[in-house]
Amino acid sequence: GAVVSQHPSWVICKSGTSVKIECRSLDFQATTMFWYRQFPKQSLMLMATSNEGSKATYEQGVEKDKFLINHASLTLSTLTVTSAHPEDSSFYICSARLTGRYNEQFFGPGTRLTVL
Amino acid sequence: AQKITQTQPGMFVQEKEAVTLDCTYDTSDQSYGLFWYKQPSSGEMIFLIYQGSYDEQNATEGRYSLNFQKARKSANLVISASQLGDSAMYFCAMRGNRGSQGNLIFGKGTKLSVKP
Repeated sequence: GAVVSQHPSWVICKSGTSVKIECRSLDFQATTMFWYRQFPKQSLMLMATSNEGSKATYEQGVEKDKFLINHASLTLSTLTVTSAHPEDSSFYICSARLTGRYNEQFFGPGTRLTVL
Repeated sequence: AQKITQTQPGMFVQEKEAVTLDCTYDTSDQSYGLFWYKQPSSGEMIFLIYQGSYDEQNATEGRYSLNFQKARKSANLVISASQLGDSAMYFCAMRGNRGSQGNLIFGKGTKLSVKP
């Protein structure tokens, strides 16, 4: 199946710093990638839809200046958490949509962010 | 608005027995897709099975089958011959026909525990 990687898998940072998370589709091109956030023992919440070559579409309540998304190529999308605070600590998961029979999304392994 | 409901926060099943995980959905779209994902403790989201709203037959993928009842708006996942490795969180998700983005909406998940 299609493979999506995320880097880093975990990160600990100080409050006020910025953190960049990369999402790569390794063996297919993805014009659309998605960024989700998951709190402990909760479901995935869509944060934004990332489209190659255009601005991301953010879900209601998600601060676009806080969570910067760049989809610079067909295989790479990045999420930058700017001026991170402890409440930003969470599990961030990206997915890439594979155009095909199901148009299913393949998920990255996730990034656990802890802000001290 | 689209919504996925999983009413079972946790389920137990004896190894080698079958188990059904419930999922109901709500949408006004005529065309939609239903997915089931497995999330082990490592965090990655693993695609299991897909059912399209126009598919006349229930989807099957190995030990996984989807009991699709369109009139009842339910899409229950059936796992046959449970294995210890099936212990994980299971999420039902729906992709609507919202533009061409195809983002997924997830239920709250069911934690499945397989007993030896």
